[in-house]
Order: sequence, then C-alpha cells, then structure tokens
Amino acid sequence: AQSVSQHNHHVILSEAASLELGCNYSYGGTVNLFWYVQYPGQHLQLLLKYFSGDPLVKGIKGFEAEFIKSKFSFNLRKPSVQWSDTAEYFCAVNWDTDKLIFGTGTRLQVFP
Amino acid sequence: DVKVTQSSRYLVKRTGEKVFLECVQDMDHENMFWYRQDPGLGLRLIYFSYDVKMKEKGDIPEGYSVSREKKERFSLILESASTNQTSMYLCASRPLTGGGQPQHFGDGTRLSIL
Repeated sequence: AQSVSQHNHHVILSEAASLELGCNYSYGGTVNLFWYVQYPGQHLQLLLKYFSGDPLVKGIKGFEAEFIKSKFSFNLRKPSVQWSDTAEYFCAVNWDTDKLIFGTGTRLQVFP
Repeated sequence: DVKVTQSSRYLVKRTGEKVFLECVQDMDHENMFWYRQDPGLGLRLIYFSYDVKMKEKGDIPEGYSVSREKKERFSLILESASTNQTSMYLCASRPLTGGGQPQHFGDGTRLSIL
C-alpha cells in the first residue's frame, strides 16, 4: 500500500541550528512530492514541491528539499532555523492520482 | 490567492446529531477534499470529489457522507455523530490539471462531539 513515513515526530532545536526532517515513501513510479507547514492556529501552507527537473527544490522561508529517487526520500532542510519556524511539518506524496498521502507530521519547536 | 473557506472554526455537537461541515472555494477548482487531522496520525482522507455530483471514498469514509451540488461547495456530513469523530476537519481544493498541482487548505473546523 502507498504510505509516507516521517521518522521524526518531535524535534527541538535552538535558534541558528540546522534542520533536517526525514520523509520516505513506500514505492516508486511517478511521484509528486510536497512539504506543507502548519503554524500554530493557521491553515496548512505549501512550503515547496517537486514534480520534475532538478531534484534539489527551494521553497519559501529558506527551506529546501532533495528528492533522492533511489532512496524513496524527500528530506526537508534549513541551514539555520528561527523561532518563527516553530510549527508542524507534513510531507505528502501523490502517485500521479488525485489523492495525496500525508505523513504523520513532525512537530518542530525552536527555542531562542 | 486561492481562498478556501470553512463555515465554522469551532463546533460542538451531541452524540447522534446529524452534523454538516461546509467548505467553499473561490478558484473554480475541480477537485475538493475532506480530511481529518488527529495528533500522531497526520491527515487522513475521508472523501474527495473531482466534479459536481461526483465523489470518491478516501481512506476513512465510514460514518461520513459528502455532497457536491455546486462546483465551489463541498459539504461533509456526519450522519449520526459519535465521540470518536471529535477531530480537526480540513477541506482542500485543487485544479484538475495533473498531480503536481498543490492542494490549498482551509483554516479547519475543530469539531467536538459530546
């Protein structure tokens, strides 16, 4: 069955630390990959997406993600986090259908 | 900017009631989706619709139904609410033009069933 795994459920960092959140999906084929962010009390917003081309994708607010097809992974990175990055982060995958499969989310807390 | 509007941010209902959650989008999107979001479980798809009067079951459709009479509106119906349906409900929309298009989400409805 199609599934998406986010291995880090809760991450705590200090400001200026580097961030990497893992995302793996169950099997290959044509995939479209997304990272969404949900700030406290707000709706889910798109951070970045990949559907073809350069596997290193840059998104908003200094985030980037790298698609590694051989590892079925799409990890999210940011070199230096800020307190305002405190949020929940969701990886989602679409296998060229109308349905998005979401991971269980990673809660990031950044302390000043 | 795409606007997806859910009718209520917070809703409290009683067990056994019929509950309607409404969602409206303003971008003429063909696809609309209903999810529930629970801690530790992420977002799970309840139902989706790719056109007026068309619907498809998602991963957890039991206890729910949907209605799409107009393109801009997608309603989620809890036929007989139960306490295990207490959750955050999210609506999303997306154009039909391929899987690479992102979904746009509403603010969510936090539903409590007493």
